[in-house]
Amino acid sequence: KQEVTQIPAALSVPEGENLVLNCSFTDSAIYNLQWFRQDPGKGLTSLLLIQSSQREQTSGRLNASLDKSSGRSTLYIAASQPGDSATYLCAVSDNTDKLIFGTGTRLQVFP
Amino acid sequence: DTAVSQTPKYLVTQMGNDKSIKCEQNLGHDTMYWYKQDSKKFLKIMFSYNNKELIINETVPNRFSPKSPDKAHLNLHINSLELGDSAVYFCASSQEPGGGNYEQYFGPGTRLTVT
Repeated sequence: KQEVTQIPAALSVPEGENLVLNCSFTDSAIYNLQWFRQDPGKGLTSLLLIQSSQREQTSGRLNASLDKSSGRSTLYIAASQPGDSATYLCAVSDNTDKLIFGTGTRLQVFP
Repeated sequence: DTAVSQTPKYLVTQMGNDKSIKCEQNLGHDTMYWYKQDSKKFLKIMFSYNNKELIINETVPNRFSPKSPDKAHLNLHINSLELGDSAVYFCASSQEPGGGNYEQYFGPGTRLTVT
């Protein structure tokens, strides 16, 4: 059974810092991995999708990497801003198209 | 334009009642999903439909019945509501199922509170 874990559970950093969020999964037979952000009381916003054949994806200040064989992904946020404060969720998809979510990392960036 | 919309945003009801949550997507996607986010913020898939056909049913009680009148809509009907049904329910859609090559887009969620 696939399990997805995110470390750390919470993170508080000053504005401008570069930071790394970690995601690990127990079954490497995934089709893709998706990173989302969730703002309080809101839905999920898709940030990046990495297909199983890819190693990384970039969007603006965000870079996500995938090491399928070791069951790990990282989300790198460069030059963090207070507007980046949110909960970040990673999710893996298997061939049944189910998204299995991690436990989330709650990020706070203070001015 | 809202891509995936849900109504209502909030729903407060008593135990034993029957309620429905509606979801619509205007992305032209073939596949739609329902997810449940519990009080610990853990998200778990409940159902998925592809072109009005049920694909995934994740050990959800029979009291939950999804209905897809067309591929742009996936409604969730819940019978005999229980306290444990209190959660945030998210609808999502993607271009097509199988293989997970496409992003899933989520609605804003419906916060259900059962008293």
